[in-house]
Amino acid sequence: ETGVTQTPRHLVMGMTNKKSLKCEQHLGHNAMYWYKQSAKKPLELMFVYNFKEQTENNSVPSRFSPECPNSSHLFLHLHTLQPEDSALYLCASSPSGKGNEQFFGPGTRLTVL
Amino acid sequence: QKEVEQDPGPLSVPEGAIVSLNCTYSNSAFQYFMWYRQYSRKGPELLMYTYSSGNKEDGRFTAQVDKSSKYISLFIRDSQPSDSATYLCAMTPGTGNKLTFGGGTRVLVKP
Repeated sequence: ETGVTQTPRHLVMGMTNKKSLKCEQHLGHNAMYWYKQSAKKPLELMFVYNFKEQTENNSVPSRFSPECPNSSHLFLHLHTLQPEDSALYLCASSPSGKGNEQFFGPGTRLTVL
Repeated sequence: QKEVEQDPGPLSVPEGAIVSLNCTYSNSAFQYFMWYRQYSRKGPELLMYTYSSGNKEDGRFTAQVDKSSKYISLFIRDSQPSDSATYLCAMTPGTGNKLTFGGGTRVLVKP
């Protein structure tokens, strides 16, 4: 595997379900990110982790819970989501914090029924 | 006012034409500028990365930054149908790792 991978690629869940999104980067980077991409809206940064430590939480509702066990893996735990949370969830990584370009995974297309 | 403005398009051009894309921004602290290409149902792919003002060329792609006007551009020469995608600009001051994205411009290159 190369680059940034995400699983699953597609997910359909009910509002009472609990599910997790997984991201893995094979680039040796130290920073990882979760973004939300909704139709006709700019990418919204959700969380940032540097060296496994969360450094940014962009006022994300608590029904989204991130986890970063090491610099290569990032999870997004989902519970009691709302239909408006349906979107493409993108993971990205970058070498370090200052101005470095971010590399994105293919995303997980989430549909909340 | 949005921090980064980008015309959503769609921008339709014939094959072989030059595609011209741009973004304007309001935060004078931005120093690092990126262009991403995103195909339908895929993640964004980094195309160009520039620091401060000036031009950068990579194959058919040229990125320009004019910090005095707070204006960045991406030109695609000899456009191909495979260039049909949404192009996102992104920028950061470089003091952290938070990128600010434009909304993206959808480009359609017709054979």
